[in-house]
Amino acid sequence: NAGVMQNPRHLVRRRGQEARLRCSPMKGHSHVYWYRQLPEEGLKFMVYLQKENIIDESGMPKERFSAEFPKEGPSILRIQQVVRGDSAAYFCASSPPGLAARGETQYFGPGTRLLVL
Amino acid sequence: GDSVTQMEGPVTLSEEAFLTINCTYTATGYPSLFWYVQYPGEGLQLLLKATKADDKGSNKGFEATYRKETTSFHLEKGSVQVSDSAVYFCALSLFEYGNKLVFGAGTILRVKS
Repeated sequence: NAGVMQNPRHLVRRRGQEARLRCSPMKGHSHVYWYRQLPEEGLKFMVYLQKENIIDESGMPKERFSAEFPKEGPSILRIQQVVRGDSAAYFCASSPPGLAARGETQYFGPGTRLLVL
Repeated sequence: GDSVTQMEGPVTLSEEAFLTINCTYTATGYPSLFWYVQYPGEGLQLLLKATKADDKGSNKGFEATYRKETTSFHLEKGSVQVSDSAVYFCALSLFEYGNKLVFGAGTILRVKS
């Protein structure tokens, strides 16, 4: 059973370009979370999605960032017009389907390291 | 708001030494508590967890006990190995908030042979 997959693993963009980060959850999982890890810091929650629904986007910057988890295909985190401050590691995590259980374990992907020049 | 505070690192130990990494939390509800480990260049792996007071999570010689009275979840290991060198994150989640994880800043552990 493959784990959470993210691609690309490394992404270099120039200021003003768009970055698209993809996350394929573990097989059968239907909950996806995105977290951002800035250099020398812990992870910060960005957004929680279920298939075709954004459940909680309270950690997303108000502008330039968007996320989706379509019925078919991976979850996408999209950053428009990137700036140097967007340089970070972006991690995706997934958890099993159905009603969320208390203390449910989230399984993390290897992350995408975004560098904005 | 909900938060996690863990001891600053780096923590440097010799092989076979005893390890403690302190973690305390503040939560609006009744959280579940986790320790995750991150090896260089990799994602996070769940190390252990506890979902209610006085529960003890354990894995690979690591253990932590959920102490509601002191709002703590300290990580311990009796004898560390060089392979334990990594960054350790304490985290909480609240079912009422969709189980999103709130992380501490992380503690770097370096074990010397």
